[in-house]
Parts: sequence; structure tokens; C-alpha cells
Amino acid sequence: AQTVTQSQPEMSVQEAETVTLSCTYDTSESDYYLFWYKQPPSRQMILVIRQEAYKQQNATENRFSVNFQKAAKSFSLKISDSQLGDAAMYFCASLSRRNQFYFGTGTSLTVIP
Amino acid sequence: NAGVTQTPKFRILKIGQSMTLQCAQDMNHNYMYWYRQDPGMGLKLIYYSVGAGITDKGEVPNGYNVSRSTTEDFPLRLELAAPSQTSVYFCASSYRRQAGELFFGEGSRLTVL
Repeated sequence: AQTVTQSQPEMSVQEAETVTLSCTYDTSESDYYLFWYKQPPSRQMILVIRQEAYKQQNATENRFSVNFQKAAKSFSLKISDSQLGDAAMYFCASLSRRNQFYFGTGTSLTVIP
Repeated sequence: NAGVTQTPKFRILKIGQSMTLQCAQDMNHNYMYWYRQDPGMGLKLIYYSVGAGITDKGEVPNGYNVSRSTTEDFPLRLELAAPSQTSVYFCASSYRRQAGELFFGEGSRLTVL
């Protein structure tokens, strides 16, 4: 089984500033995928960004980017120019070869106006 | 396009009662999943399915059962409800592993008293 660890239960950032959410994972597989999901108060889970483990280049999606350190099994999310709408719970997740998604415990992000 | 539909959204059960959480998707996705989300615990995989007629246990399957008779439907059965099953339940689906993205339902909040 894979494990995903998010060591920051809560984070806060000033509007327009940059924040980085941490995630580490543990897997013995060589073929896997990593994700960040956002869960606003509405409870709906929204995909933020995806990274294929075989790709060395860090994924980016507009203001969201990742720092993927495969050897260290680290997968952090950077949010640039933070907006009020970014406030949510963020979950890091991994996808195994057996098609199981494993989620971390989440980081609650507050954006301060 | 309805996506992933879960019913009911809220339910209160008495200890020992049974019920079925319904999940349907209209995207012709092969993979379907049931998760439970407890406060501060992230999402835990209960059961998953890689296609009609195929189901497999996740991390926390005890007390639950599933079936997948069609591609569209993936109901979760709770037998002999216990207070430990009080949680928010999410159904999710994905098209294929390489695509990665999970599409979630809106969640079902279950309380067992």
C-alpha cells in the first residue's frame, strides 16, 4: 500500500502572496501518478494539478505548480498570487498500479484579505 | 451532463439498521470508488471497481459491501450500522488510469445514532 503524508494541518497566506503546501509519499512502485485536489466548503472535490512520476518536468496549471522531488518522495504545491477563492482544504493523493487512490489528511488553507 | 450522482445526501440511521448509498455515473467510466471522509483523517478507500462485475476491497472495507452489475452503478451497502460508520461518503469515478482524474459525487453525510 502507498501512504501519503501532509504535515501541515493548517496554512494561511496573504492575498496576492505565494504559499507552498507540503506532501510526502511512500511507494515501492515505479509507475504512479500524483495529484493535488481542492475541497471547498461545498465539499465538491476538484482536481488542481496532476504529475506523472516518469516525467521529470514539474507540472504547472496557471497559478498552481508543483515541486516534484522523486528521490525524496516529495510533492509540494505552490500557489502564486493567492486569491480569496483559493481558500479550501487541499489534499495530496497518489495513484497506484492497482488503480487505488491514496489521500493525505489534508491542509486547510486560509487566504487573508 | 450529470457526472457522478449520489443519493441520499443526508441520512440518519439507528444502530443495527442497514441501508444502501446509491452512486451512478453517466460518463462511461470504467473505474469507480467509494471513500469515507472523517474529520482530520482525509479520505479512506472502502471499495473500488475496475469494471462491471469486478470489485475489490480498499483500506477500510469492514462493515460494507458493494456490487457492480452495470458500468453506470456502484451502490454501497451498509449492514448493521454502527456509530463508527458515521462519516461523509464520496463516490468517485475515472475513465482510465492514465487519465488519472477522479470525478467525485457531492457526498453523502451519514449519521448513526
